[in-house]
This record gives sequence, structure tokens and C-alpha cells, in this order.
Amino acid sequence: NAGVMQNPRHLVRRRGQEARLRCSPMKGHSHVYWYRQLPEEGLKFMVYLQKENIIDESGMPKERFSAEFPKEGPSILRIQQVVRGDSAAYFCASRTGFTGLETQYFGPGTRLLVL
Amino acid sequence: GEDVEQSLFLSVREGDSSVINCTYTDSSSTYLYWYKQEPGAGLQLLTYIFSNMDMKQDQRLTVLLNKKDKHLSLRIADTQTGDSAIYFCAELNQAGTALIFGKGTTLSVSS
Repeated sequence: NAGVMQNPRHLVRRRGQEARLRCSPMKGHSHVYWYRQLPEEGLKFMVYLQKENIIDESGMPKERFSAEFPKEGPSILRIQQVVRGDSAAYFCASRTGFTGLETQYFGPGTRLLVL
Repeated sequence: GEDVEQSLFLSVREGDSSVINCTYTDSSSTYLYWYKQEPGAGLQLLTYIFSNMDMKQDQRLTVLLNKKDKHLSLRIADTQTGDSAIYFCAELNQAGTALIFGKGTTLSVSS
């Protein structure tokens, strides 16, 4: 059973470009979370999605950031017009939909560098 | 608001026990977790504890939970050089929709 997959593992963008980060949850998992880790910091929650629905986006910046988890295919975190401050590691986590099984399993992360 | 605090560094000798401490603010937290992160890698779930438990043991790992003081600790017995990593404490938020992480404790194990 493959774990949570993220790609690309490393992404370099110039200021003003768009960044697209992909996350494939573990098999059988229908809940996806995105977290951001700034240098020397812990992880900060961004958004929580189920298939085709955004459940909680309280950690998402109001502008330039969006996330989706379509019926088919991976979850996508999209950052438009990137700035240097967006440089960070972005982690995706997934879990099952069963109540009581709340444990989130993390992917290896995408390290975004904005030049 | 919800917050998780950890000490930033711990240095131990190989073979000693390591104890990493964490305090949290949300008394209604149902689940508390310990994750391990090696350089350049993702987070590996080490263990978790449900809030109605005081202790959980899993091989070399022992988790102690003091709900009254909102204090969580992770003890690693017979610490090895391969245990060198950053250890994150996390609580499930009140809404059950996200994990709140501490800033991580860097464990350095010397031989």
C-alpha cells in the first residue's frame, strides 16, 4: 500500500509565476489536508478537503492560494503569482473517512523555492 | 486560542533515555500525536494517545499524558544515533479538522 504521494518533490519558480503542487492520498483515504512549513518552524494548517468539497480553509491566505480535490485525480494546491515569502515546504496528509480514525499520514512534501 | 509549545533542542548520549516535553492549551483535545522528521523528509507518525489515556508504550517509546497540566511527553529508551531528528508534538484542534503543531524539538544523539 503506497503512502501519500506528492509531486514534484522540489519546485523552483520565479516571482510572478504559478506553482501547482499535487497530492495523491493513500489508497482508501478520502480526506486530504495541506500544511505549510516555513524554515525553522512547525507545520501550519492551510486547508482540509474531502472529495469535491472544501471543509475548512481557515489557514489559507485570502489571495493567490487555492486548493481542490476533484472526484478523480490528485488534490492540487495552486499558488498564483508567487512571491519570495511563499518559499517553504508544503506537506499533504490524508486519512480515512471513518469516525474515530483521525490519524493523518503525511507525504514527503514539496519544497518550493521562489527566486 | 489553540497552541502547542516544545523546547527547541535536546542533546543526549547514545544509550541514554531521551525525554521530549510538550504543553498544549486546548483541554478538549481528543488526540495528541508525536511525529518525527528527518532532514529533507516528510513527517513520520511515531505514536499517538487518546485523551482518556495516561500512558501508552510502544517498544522503545513511552508517551505520558497529564491532562490536568496539559503536558505530554515522549520518552525514547536506549536512544540511538538514528533517532537524531526533529520531533513534533501535535494536537487535533477542537473542530477536529486540523492538527496544531509545536515548532519541533531537535534531538541530537552523540556516540
